[in-house]
Amino acid sequence: DAGITQSPRHKVTETGTPVTLRCHQTENHRYMYWYRQDPGHGLRLIHYSYGVKDTDKGEVSDGYSVSRSKTEDFLLTLESATSSQTSVYFCAIRGAGGIYNEQFFGPGTRLTVL
Amino acid sequence: AQSVTQPDIHITVSEGASLELRCNYSYGATPYLFWYVQSPGQGLQLLLKYFSGDTLVQGIKGFEAEFKRSQSSFNLRKPSVHWSDAAEYFCAVGAAEYGNKLVFGAGTILRVKS
Repeated sequence: DAGITQSPRHKVTETGTPVTLRCHQTENHRYMYWYRQDPGHGLRLIHYSYGVKDTDKGEVSDGYSVSRSKTEDFLLTLESATSSQTSVYFCAIRGAGGIYNEQFFGPGTRLTVL
Repeated sequence: AQSVTQPDIHITVSEGASLELRCNYSYGATPYLFWYVQSPGQGLQLLLKYFSGDTLVQGIKGFEAEFKRSQSSFNLRKPSVHWSDAAEYFCAVGAAEYGNKLVFGAGTILRVKS
């Protein structure tokens, strides 16, 4: 299994509070991704990173920010959580090379915003 | 915009029966195609992928998929389903022209009845 961990694995928070989710990899892969998974929508890309300090937006980036100060860590921050951000969040990593290389997924973080 | 359609939200098959899960994509470029499986409470695991060559690809757990460019399809098949195959299955598509991102379908939930 690819060395990907996510923390926390579960979190309950209140509307308006900031939340940070962490993705940590031990594979030294260049690309890291944050997705959210909601019933009927599959996985939707929030943000991704193609190197330290290099990030780009995905299709559902509003309300989220990311940071990558080290190769191994990719942080997802909800500046002010809303109930619509209740979801399961997955981190994924991919090695260098073309998009034909598969992404490896972490175990997920279940976030509930009350 | 690129899109991926999995027409079947739920499929129920009997153990030992054959299985086909459909995936259609809308891309203007040469696609790279993936099938992932997700067991309850778990992350996603790659079943197989296609990026060039033989259009019939073999994957893990006895799954195969066929790329049909004329039909914009990449259907997943298994000749004999086992109870342990019950899970959610996701088709994903990427293309070099669209950067380092994948687009996922909404998923198909497979139920296996004994």
